[in-house]
Amino acid sequence: DVKVTQSSRYLVKRTGEKVFLECVQDMDHENMFWYRQDPGLGLRLIYFSYDVKMKEKGDIPEGYSVSREKKERFSLILESASTNQTSMYLCASSLSRTVEQFFGPGTRLTVL
Amino acid sequence: GENVEQHPSTLSVQEGDSAVIKCTYSDSASNYFPWYKQELGKRPQLIIDIRSNVGEKKDQRIAVTLNKTAKHFSLHITETQPEDSAVYFCAVSEGYSTLTFGKGTMLLVSP
Repeated sequence: DVKVTQSSRYLVKRTGEKVFLECVQDMDHENMFWYRQDPGLGLRLIYFSYDVKMKEKGDIPEGYSVSREKKERFSLILESASTNQTSMYLCASSLSRTVEQFFGPGTRLTVL
Repeated sequence: GENVEQHPSTLSVQEGDSAVIKCTYSDSASNYFPWYKQELGKRPQLIIDIRSNVGEKKDQRIAVTLNKTAKHFSLHITETQPEDSAVYFCAVSEGYSTLTFGKGTMLLVSP
């Protein structure tokens, strides 16, 4: 049973703070993804990684960066949080890009 | 890049009725079409997927049909039950590209 976990379910930060969201998967998946989910906008890809230390921009990378130092862990970094980054953040992993993605429970981030 | 349109955005049906959600896509090279279900407060989960070499796939009460010529695919749920109430997302991928998701359909099944 694939498990994808995220470091926090709820997070409240102040404008300008540096924010770290962590994701861990236990199935030795090559691919990991960070999405942002907003009402009426669906799931939008921020960044993804297909191997350790590799990263590629998704559709909305501005204001975000990522880190993948170990295969099982993929971190999303907000260098200087802004109110328009208030959202639900979902991490996912998959064996390849065109098979099932397994999602984490999500982190609801509020930036005040 | 790929553009995915999903309709309707909300759908209300009576228990036992059928529900159909449709997605259109723009890239004719797209070849993988999954559907995810997200119950309230839960994570999205894959419920069914189809690849471009197949026109239809069924799994109990759910089915997906693909029309490559018209570049659209649909999710069909028969004999709907209250536990089918959720947000459903279609997605599209081409080759080694990542998934592009539709904006979602909120399905409400009333007893």
